[in-house]
Amino acid sequence: GENVEQHPSTLSVQEGDSAVIKCTYSDSASNYFPWYKQELGKRPQLIIDIRSNVGEKKDQRIAVTLNKTAKHFSLHITETQPEDSAVYFCATTQQGSQGNLIFGKGTKLSVKP
Amino acid sequence: KAGVTQTPRYLIKTRGQQVTLSCSPISGHRSVSWYQQTPGQGLQFLFEYFSETQRNKGNFPGRFSGRQFSNSRSEMNVSTLELGDSALYLCASSQQGRDQDFGPGTRLLVL
Repeated sequence: GENVEQHPSTLSVQEGDSAVIKCTYSDSASNYFPWYKQELGKRPQLIIDIRSNVGEKKDQRIAVTLNKTAKHFSLHITETQPEDSAVYFCATTQQGSQGNLIFGKGTKLSVKP
Repeated sequence: KAGVTQTPRYLIKTRGQQVTLSCSPISGHRSVSWYQQTPGQGLQFLFEYFSETQRNKGNFPGRFSGRQFSNSRSEMNVSTLELGDSALYLCASSQQGRDQDFGPGTRLLVL
């Protein structure tokens, strides 16, 4: 089955710096790649996603890139702010298994003021 | 729009008991997926229901089951509870399976 590896598990940056989180997946049939942010004690929230026919997608300070050949995708956060501190999860699913998200183990991002 | 709701929010049970958790999806969403979240294993997929049919199933024992009603509300049941079932149980709804919106979760403690 699909396997998603996420790195790093923890990431500490200074406010204003950039943060990058990387994920690799195993199933070449995967075609949907969402990222979720989970603040302490709260529900995961979808922050951005990318489909397999797109290489990059941006939304203000957040961007996601996808390399289907290498089977990896990354989350980029620029100009980080303390409120970006949270656990970030990458995920993927497959054609025909749309409701089945396979998650990475998460990255705990700390943004120091 | 009203978000995904889950009841109860907290639950304490003892080993061997069973439990039923409920999830009300966002209006118009036909897909409901369930996940188990633990510190050690992270977020793991349990099952997905779409239009009252189980469409996908994760790698959990048969003690974990679910169903979906005609109004898209979903329930999951865990029978013969074990200590290792202590976790946050999250449901997520969507129109077709992608762009899932999560509920606040039910925190289950098994003693």
